[in-house]
Amino acid sequence: AQTVTQSQPEMSVQEAETVTLSCTYDTSENNYYLFWYKQPPSRQMILVIRQEAYKQQNATENRFSVNFQKAAKSFSLKISDSQLGDTAMYFCAFMKEAGTASKLTFGTGTRLQVTL
Amino acid sequence: NAGVMQNPRHLVRRRGQEARLRCSPVKGHSHVYWYRQLPEEGLKFMVYLQKENIIDESGMPKERFSAEFPKEGPSILRIQQVVRGDSAAYFCASSPLGQGAPGGYTFGSGTRLTVV
Repeated sequence: AQTVTQSQPEMSVQEAETVTLSCTYDTSENNYYLFWYKQPPSRQMILVIRQEAYKQQNATENRFSVNFQKAAKSFSLKISDSQLGDTAMYFCAFMKEAGTASKLTFGTGTRLQVTL
Repeated sequence: NAGVMQNPRHLVRRRGQEARLRCSPVKGHSHVYWYRQLPEEGLKFMVYLQKENIIDESGMPKERFSAEFPKEGPSILRIQQVVRGDSAAYFCASSPLGQGAPGGYTFGSGTRLTVV
């Protein structure tokens, strides 16, 4: 079974600064996908960024980037130039290689507060 | 192209009543997933359905919970004889062809169930 661990329950960052959210996971799979989801107070789950395990290059989406360390089973999210709208819960998630049972395993989340 | 529609958004039930949660997937998506989010926790997988078939129900409690995805109409998550511990946000997601990645997974905004 897969597990996902987010060891930072809460983080705070000032507007325009950079913050890194940590995530580690445990799996015996070789091919898999990793995701970061954002959940604002509206409760909507929004996909921020995804990484395929077979790709060595770290994924980047505008101000969001990841540091994927496959050997260490680490998948951190870096948010650059933080904005007030980034305030939300952030969940790291794992998915086995897409197939007939493509379920996500989530971590417990990190609550990010962006301040002025 | 509407996303995943869940209703109701909020549902209050007294202990012992039944709760019915509805999920209309993205048009053209034939695979539906249900997740439960307890307060201050990440989402936990419950069940994965295709039209008229349950593919994986490994996350569903053995008693009182059932799910269906009929040929016509929305997917329904049904909780009989609700107890206070059932209070949670229930999320539905859909994907085309069972391919949850990459990017094929769309979440609804969830139904918050409160049992009083």
